[in-house]
Amino acid sequence: SAVISQKPSRDICQRGTSLTIQCQVDSQVTMMFWYRQQPGQSLTLIATANQGSEATYESGFVIDKFPISRPNLTFSTLTVSNMSPEDSSIYLCSVTKSSGNTIYFGEGSWLTVV
Amino acid sequence: RKEVEQDPGPFNVPEGATVAFNCTYSNSASQSFFWYRQDCRKEPKLLMSVYSSGNEDGRFTAQLNRASQYISLLIRDSKLSDSATYLCVVNGRGYSTLTFGKGTMLLVSP
Repeated sequence: SAVISQKPSRDICQRGTSLTIQCQVDSQVTMMFWYRQQPGQSLTLIATANQGSEATYESGFVIDKFPISRPNLTFSTLTVSNMSPEDSSIYLCSVTKSSGNTIYFGEGSWLTVV
Repeated sequence: RKEVEQDPGPFNVPEGATVAFNCTYSNSASQSFFWYRQDCRKEPKLLMSVYSSGNEDGRFTAQLNRASQYISLLIRDSKLSDSATYLCVVNGRGYSTLTFGKGTMLLVSP
């Protein structure tokens, strides 16, 4: 498994502002992902964070709204830009290791936009 | 048809009962299957992988039916601590991208 630390764990933000979520893993991992889970919904993949290059975004998600960085193999950030109440959600960092295709999650960042 | 479908429940069962969940998937080329458990206001945690031959881990048994494109999770001798949402997860468009069901809620009562 992997130990994945996310911060902040929760935040309440004003609409129109931006928030950056950090994800730190205790070991080098092959893949890092960012998911969103809106209330009562399943997890939705936002993007794959690529080390040293631009993230790969899923349909419906764009870099201007969700800029992502991954400067090395153990760290990534997700920014939620120009927030609106619809962005209120849990944002989860997740990783896979080269030893398999099991995915592990961080504890999540609970975001409420008011 | 949704990629991964689950009955949202809730399944209300007494302690000691046996309960089973099914999950159907639409992509016949899917190769990897998992059950995750998510407690209220917590992140999902891997419960078990699902292998073609079926697999068992203590009170939990997972099975895969490729012909009918569904996987199942059986929980025997339910405990209060089993109360959670169980997420069915199927690999999506590639090795490392997964599709999650919305989850099935289980409530085990005394």
